[in-house]
Amino acid sequence: DVKVTQSSRYLVKRTGEKVFLECVQDMDHENMFWYRQDPGLGLRLIYFSYDVKMKEKGDIPEGYSVSREKKERFSLILESASTNQTSMYLCASRLAGYEQYFGPGTRLTVT
Amino acid sequence: DQQVKQNSPSLSVQEGRISILNCDYTNSMFDYFLWYKKYPAEGPTFLISISSIKDKNEDGRFTVFLNKSAKHLSLHIVPSQPGDSAVYFCAASDKGGSEKLVFGKGTKLTVNP
Repeated sequence: DVKVTQSSRYLVKRTGEKVFLECVQDMDHENMFWYRQDPGLGLRLIYFSYDVKMKEKGDIPEGYSVSREKKERFSLILESASTNQTSMYLCASRLAGYEQYFGPGTRLTVT
Repeated sequence: DQQVKQNSPSLSVQEGRISILNCDYTNSMFDYFLWYKKYPAEGPTFLISISSIKDKNEDGRFTVFLNKSAKHLSLHIVPSQPGDSAVYFCAASDKGGSEKLVFGKGTKLTVNP
C-alpha cells in the first residue's frame, strides 16, 4: 500500500510567520504535488515536482515555495503566512500513469 | 477558466437508490479521467478511472460513463449506501502523460438512510 504522510494534521500560525509543511511518501514515486482545498473551489495545484531538486509552478504558486532535496520528501513553504492562506493543504505522489495518492491533509489556520 | 466542471455542488439520494454524479470538460486534449472520493478531514482516495478509448468502466457498485462527443462523464453508484456520503471530485489529464491532474470543484453526496 502506498503511504503518503504529512507532518501535521492541524496547524495554527500567526500572520507573517514562515511555515513549513512536510510530506513524505514511501513508494519511491517520482512525482509529488501540493494542493490546497477550499470550499467551493475544489483542489488547486500549488507546485509539483517530477524529480529531486526539480519543481514546477502549478496554478496558484504565489506566496509559496517548495523544496525537494530527497526523492521521498516534498516540502511546502509559506514565506510569510497570511490569513488568506488558511486552508486544507494536500500532498500527493505518483509513480507513473495518472493516479495520484494523497496524504491525509494539513488544516492550516493563519490568525 | 474552468476546464473541468461539476455543476452540482450537492446531491441527496435515498439509500438503495442510484446516485449519478456529473462532470463536464472543455479541453479536448484530455484523455484520462478519474473520480476521487473525499471524507471530511481526510485526503482524497482514488475511486475509479476511464481512458478516452473506452466509454464505460465498472468496478463493483461504481460505473463511470464517458461521452467524448459531449465532453461529459458521469459516475453511477448503485445501490447507494450511507457510507458513500462524501465529496466526489472529477479529475482529468491530457495526452502525453502530463504530470498534472485538473480537478473539478466537487459534488457533495449525501445518502440518507
